[in-house]
Parts: sequence; structure tokens; C-alpha cells
Amino acid sequence: EAQVTQNPRYLITVTGKKLTVTCSQNMNHEYMSWYRQDPGLGLRQIYYSMNVEVTDKGDVPEGYKVSRKEKRNFPLILESPSPNQTSLYFCASSFEGVTYNEQFFGPGTRLTVL
Amino acid sequence: KQEVTQIPAALSVPEGENLVLNCSFTDSAIYNLQWFRQDPGKGLTSLLLIQSSQREQTSGRLNASLDKSSGRSTLYIAASQPGDSATYLCAVTHTGTASKLTFGTGTRLQVTL
Repeated sequence: EAQVTQNPRYLITVTGKKLTVTCSQNMNHEYMSWYRQDPGLGLRQIYYSMNVEVTDKGDVPEGYKVSRKEKRNFPLILESPSPNQTSLYFCASSFEGVTYNEQFFGPGTRLTVL
Repeated sequence: KQEVTQIPAALSVPEGENLVLNCSFTDSAIYNLQWFRQDPGKGLTSLLLIQSSQREQTSGRLNASLDKSSGRSTLYIAASQPGDSATYLCAVTHTGTASKLTFGTGTRLQVTL
């Protein structure tokens, strides 16, 4: 089944404890992206990747890192999480960018930072 | 800066009604517009993608229209069912920021028995 998977789905952690949220797609998509969703603010892009080893900042990149060493994986790294990073996180992918292509989203990761 | 608005924020209708969800965007320079459905605890499911050169797209009971010049899109749901209850999001790809989707904040739909 073609899909975008994220792990973990739910995570409660404490301030400053490094964590990684994994994202994987099995559709051979070149483009991958991370969004966060907050009440009243909608979905905002954190980082995106146009292809392997090519990443760039979105609208809200502060406090996050990403890497794209393989085409299928695009992990989101929070090296020192803070409570303002409590949010619902979504990974997305598409064949080539967002210009003409349908975006596919993962199931989301709900993160709580205490 | 592109802004996307969805009104109303919430809507409740009885089963069987036809309904229209609205999406407006401030800058008509877009590549495409996509409608999504979001269920509680689940991710976003793509419903329809309309390219800027198209006027509408249809899938089953769903029909989405796009009027790029006026900055508007509508999602028409025919013969609504309780299973249609979800939050509906629209998102555009602006030509000035072709690396991301710009989302509206959604319309929460409840279809009652």
C-alpha cells in the first residue's frame, strides 16, 4: 500500500531531551516536507527537501533539524525540545515538489513537551 | 503574502443535505489548489487537486470548483452522510513560494442523523 508513515504517533517528553520523529514513504517520491499544526494557526511548513541531500527551511524552522540521506526517509530532529514545540506534526511527500503534484500526508505525530 | 480563509469555521447539517464549503485566497498567482479531509487522530487525506488551468474536479459525491481570478474555490458535497463528518482543509501552492502548501484553518463539518 502506498503510504507515508511516521513514528512515533504519540510522544510525551521533557524540555531539553533530544528526540527524532521518523518519516518514511514507499512511493519513490522526490519531495518531502514537515508541517506542524497548531490551533488557530493552521499548518505551517517547518522544512522541506526537494531530493536526497537537498533540504531547505520552511516558515518555522527554528529549533528543528532535518536530514535526507535516503530518498524514502526524512527524519525531523528536535535537539533541545521546548514547550512551544508541543504540536501535531505531519510529514508529506509528492512525486516532484508541490507545483503540479498531489501531496500525500502521514498520520501525524502528537508531541507534548513538558 | 498569500492568505487562505475558510468560512464557516464549523457547520452542522442533517444527513442527506447537499452542502458547500468555501475557500478563498488573497493572491490568484497559484499553481494549484488541493482539498483535504482530516479526521480526529488521523492524517490528512487528499480529496481533490485542481490545477490552475482547470475549473473543476469531481470524485464521487465531491465536486470542487476553482475561480482563480476571484480567488475562490468551493467544495460541493452531495447527499451528505454521517461518515462525511470531519475537518475539511483547502491549500494552495503559490507561484512565489512553490516549495510549500499554504493552508486555510479548515471547516469542521458535522453531519447529523
